[in-house]
Amino acid sequence: KAGVTQTPRYLIKTRGQQVTLSCSPISGHRSVSWYQQTPGQGLQFLFEYFSETQRNKGNFPGRFSGRQFSNSRSEMNVSTLELGDSALYLCASSLDRGLEQYFGPGTRLTVT
Amino acid sequence: DQQVKQNSPSLSVQEGRISILNCDYTNSMFDYFLWYKKYPAEGPTFLISISSIKDKNEDGRFTVFLNKSAKHLSLHIVPSQPGDSAVYFCAASEVGGSNYKLTFGKGTLLTVNP
Repeated sequence: KAGVTQTPRYLIKTRGQQVTLSCSPISGHRSVSWYQQTPGQGLQFLFEYFSETQRNKGNFPGRFSGRQFSNSRSEMNVSTLELGDSALYLCASSLDRGLEQYFGPGTRLTVT
Repeated sequence: DQQVKQNSPSLSVQEGRISILNCDYTNSMFDYFLWYKKYPAEGPTFLISISSIKDKNEDGRFTVFLNKSAKHLSLHIVPSQPGDSAVYFCAASEVGGSNYKLTFGKGTLLTVNP
């Protein structure tokens, strides 16, 4: 079974731009979660989707948004990029309830 | 407020010896705990989990211990191998709650020296 895939793997943007990241979950997994990892901060929860519905959201500003499609693929969008948004963005999928999540390789976003 | 804490940013052990990674949590609603391993430039890999109805779970060289009264869990790796060198994250969740998320600690960098 193929793992979680994320595209693109690397991205460089300038302040003020917006960005869209994509995630394809493991086949059969309907829950997709997004996390931000910055140095020294561990993994910070962004949001979780199940069957196209956002079930939970972390403490991030409204510039961070996401969605899930009927095939469980998910996208996250960050508008009006700031330097502090530079991070590794990780997507994870699971069967349900967010337990035992399986992570993709991440998208490394650099904002200059 | 950090609900999952890994107080040791790094740990160094000799090959063949035991590695013990520790994790504390403050939220008494957490009832499911997981350990992930992460290599640079890769996503975290699920290692082992434990439900709060147990106090120990083993999988090969990896054993997780849970002390609910102390709100403490630990991951034991025996014997440690150089390939185990990575960042280890502890995570927690509420099985019966409506928070469909994992709360992670900040990680511990394990270095296993040959």
